[in-house]
Amino acid sequence: DQQVKQNSPSLSVQEGRISILNCDYTNSMFDYFLWYKKYPAEGPTFLISISSIKDKNEDGRFTVFLNKSAKHLSLHIVPSQPGDSAVYFCAAKGGYYNFNKFYFGSGTKLNVKP
Amino acid sequence: DAGVTQSPTHLIKTRGQQVTLRCSPKSGHDTVSWYQQALGQGPQFIFQYYEEEERQRGNFPDRFSGHQFPNYSSELNVNALLLGDSALYLCASSQGQGARETQYFGPGTRLLVL
Repeated sequence: DQQVKQNSPSLSVQEGRISILNCDYTNSMFDYFLWYKKYPAEGPTFLISISSIKDKNEDGRFTVFLNKSAKHLSLHIVPSQPGDSAVYFCAAKGGYYNFNKFYFGSGTKLNVKP
Repeated sequence: DAGVTQSPTHLIKTRGQQVTLRCSPKSGHDTVSWYQQALGQGPQFIFQYYEEEERQRGNFPDRFSGHQFPNYSSELNVNALLLGDSALYLCASSQGQGARETQYFGPGTRLLVL
């Protein structure tokens, strides 16, 4: 059951420009969303989160936007840096049956070109 | 402050064998979740342990079992290994039970079943 989807397997962006990574979900009970970054041979690293009572959360160069009516969230990275090149996963949880269970998307590989 | 640690880093087994993977949570964390990440996919939730009990389980067969110890460390056991069990196994720790729980991941154990 693919309840969280990242439809773009890869994204290439020039250094200094904006990177926009997208994520869609199907379960309307999800109320907490996170983005993780993963380098090869490492575990995912937590980046930023947002709860369903907000539509935007910002942390430095990273901003997450949530559109509950569209069941869509996005991660904006401004400005993009070569060190941001990694695989980015979105994750979601919520609802009685998924209170402790995170669902992950399949990831988007970001390549930031110098 | 030590993060989440996992052992071993790599493991090779043959079909039908049994395997035990280990995880020590981040300091101050009492909850451990296990995920399976197949190549090109996002992490898939196996189960979560809290207060030495399995609190929630994903869609994995009974061949996958776990344990949490009084010091909050955890083990994942897989019996009767299949070729399809080859994957990266990730452990994530968090604090308590909450709607805004953030999970922190270890580096993973890469299991290859031949």
